[in-house]
Parts: sequence; structure tokens; C-alpha cells
Amino acid sequence: AQSVTQLDSHVSVSEGTPVLLRCNYSSSYSPSLFWYVQHPNKGLQLLLKYTSAATLVKGINGFEAEFKKSETSFHLTKPSAHMSDAAEYFCVVSGFFSGYALNFGKGTSLLVTP
Amino acid sequence: DADVTQTPRNRITKTGKRIMLECSQTKGHDRMYWYRQDPGLGLRLIYYSFDVKDINKGEISDGYSVSRQAQAKFSLSLESAIPNQTALYFCATSDTLADYEQFFGPGTRLTVL
Repeated sequence: AQSVTQLDSHVSVSEGTPVLLRCNYSSSYSPSLFWYVQHPNKGLQLLLKYTSAATLVKGINGFEAEFKKSETSFHLTKPSAHMSDAAEYFCVVSGFFSGYALNFGKGTSLLVTP
Repeated sequence: DADVTQTPRNRITKTGKRIMLECSQTKGHDRMYWYRQDPGLGLRLIYYSFDVKDINKGEISDGYSVSRQAQAKFSLSLESAIPNQTALYFCATSDTLADYEQFFGPGTRLTVL
């Protein structure tokens, strides 16, 4: 079985400071990993994805994530938070034995303060 | 125009009523999925379909049924709605040749009274 654990349900940062959203995964096989973002009352948007190519993945809006197999982690980072980054973020794993359906973490709510 | 559309966008119904949520896509993808989102739980998979003749149960299929009427259409039904099915429902699609990235519809907010 494949799963992800988002280590923080809420993260608060000041505008202009770095963002770190933590995610650990569990998978018996080489997983595909994703980060999705959901702004209030909006649908889901893909931020970035890892599919066994480069371990450092760059996404949209300045976000990036690093796949670390030894630590089973896929943390999401951004050097400088913007007010518009306030949203719910989901770490997601997908893989062959789950029919490539997505297994979502429970989400991390990012608050950005002025 | 949106690639993945869901109708209705909002629905309020009563316990015991039959409800159908519809999903259509113009992306030409073969795989389609239904998820529900509850606060603090992320999204959970209800059903998924690899093609018109291949439908599979997900993590939380009890109380739900689906129909894949065509490659582009995938409907979710609640035969007898109950209040704990109040949630935000998302349809998604993916292409087997595209790293299995899924594309989501805008969601349907369902309230069962």
C-alpha cells in the first residue's frame, strides 16, 4: 500500500519568509509524487510532480520539492512566501498497484501574514 | 472552456433521495476518477474507471455507484443519500501516457439534510 503523511496540519509564515511544508511517503515501489494546491472555494491545481526523473523538482509559482529516498520525504519549499500562497496544500502519491489512483495526504493549511 | 466539467456545482437534497453527479471531459483521457473531500481528511477515492468497460471500487465506495456512459462521461450516483455523504466531490481524469497526472474538475458541493 502507498500512503503519504503530511507532518503539519497548519503552517504560518510571514510574507517574504521561506515556506516549508513537510511530507513523508510510504511505498513498496518507486512512487510518483505530487503536490497539489487548493485555494479557498477553488478546485485543485497541480504544483509539481516527481516521476523518477530529477530528484529536485521545480513547479509553478516558485515552488520546488526534493525527493529523498533515504528519508522517504518529499518536502515542498519556496524561498519567499507571498500573500497569494495562502491555501491548502496536498501531498499525493500514486503508483502502479493502486491503479494509479491518487492517495492524498490530509492537507496542510498555509497561512501567510503581512 | 474547461476541460473537465461537473454538474451540478452545488446541490442540496434530503435524506433518502437519489442523486446523480455528472462529469464530462474534453481531454480525450481514458481514465476517470471520483473523489470526495471532507475537512481534515484530504481527498478519498470513491470509484475509478480505466475505460468504458473497466470500473473499480476505491477506498470508500459503499453507498455510491457509478456509470461510464462513454469515454468522456463518468457519473456518480447516491442511491439513497444520507447526511454523512455531505461533502465536496471531485471528478478527475488522466491519460495513461502522461505520467498519470490527474486533472480535476471544479467540484460539486453536496449537502444532504
